[in-house]
Amino acid sequence: DVKVTQSSRYLVKRTGEKVFLECVQDMDHENMFWYRQDPGLGLRLIYFSYDVKMKEKGDIPEGYSVSREKKERFSLILESASTNQTSMYLCASSLTGTGYEKLFFGSGTQLSVL
Amino acid sequence: DQQVKQNSPSLSVQEGRISILNCDYTNSMFDYFLWYKKYPAEGPTFLISISSIKDKNEDGRFTVFLNKSAKHLSLHIVPSQPGDSAVYFCAASTGNQFYFGTGTSLTVIP
Repeated sequence: DVKVTQSSRYLVKRTGEKVFLECVQDMDHENMFWYRQDPGLGLRLIYFSYDVKMKEKGDIPEGYSVSREKKERFSLILESASTNQTSMYLCASSLTGTGYEKLFFGSGTQLSVL
Repeated sequence: DQQVKQNSPSLSVQEGRISILNCDYTNSMFDYFLWYKKYPAEGPTFLISISSIKDKNEDGRFTVFLNKSAKHLSLHIVPSQPGDSAVYFCAASTGNQFYFGTGTSLTVIP
């Protein structure tokens, strides 16, 4: 079965810190995604990548950047963390994006910015 | 603009009864629809899906119905069990993009 692994389950950071969230998938999926989940707002797409070194902005990219140097790894970077970035961050992957596919999610990282 | 909407933030159902969760969408280009279940502090897990060429898909206690003319889908859980208590997200896809609703928190009362 597909496994999407996020490096941290819980993270506490200070305002202004640079934060790295790491995600690794083990099934050679082409597409990878970063979402954040907030109560009442559902899952909102931050960035996605359909190939190594390729990235596309999602609905809420402001304050974030991403890196995909290897196919299996997709990193989310908060350049200067702010309190409004306190959220549950979810990484996901899908096979190719060309057909009827599903997203596989990691367990999530609950980030608190103080 | 929200392309996928779940208008009921919460739903409570007695154990053994039917749970019906609803979802509406606006984009007629969506061709694949999915339901995910999410427990607190965990990632969403895939539950069931349906392609736009079908109007019903069943998997055990879970059935998804699609009404394309109304741009509406629903998830039926029969019979509901306490372990079904979770947040349910519907999602719609055009291929490499997935759009999620805001979720419905289901509570199944023993």
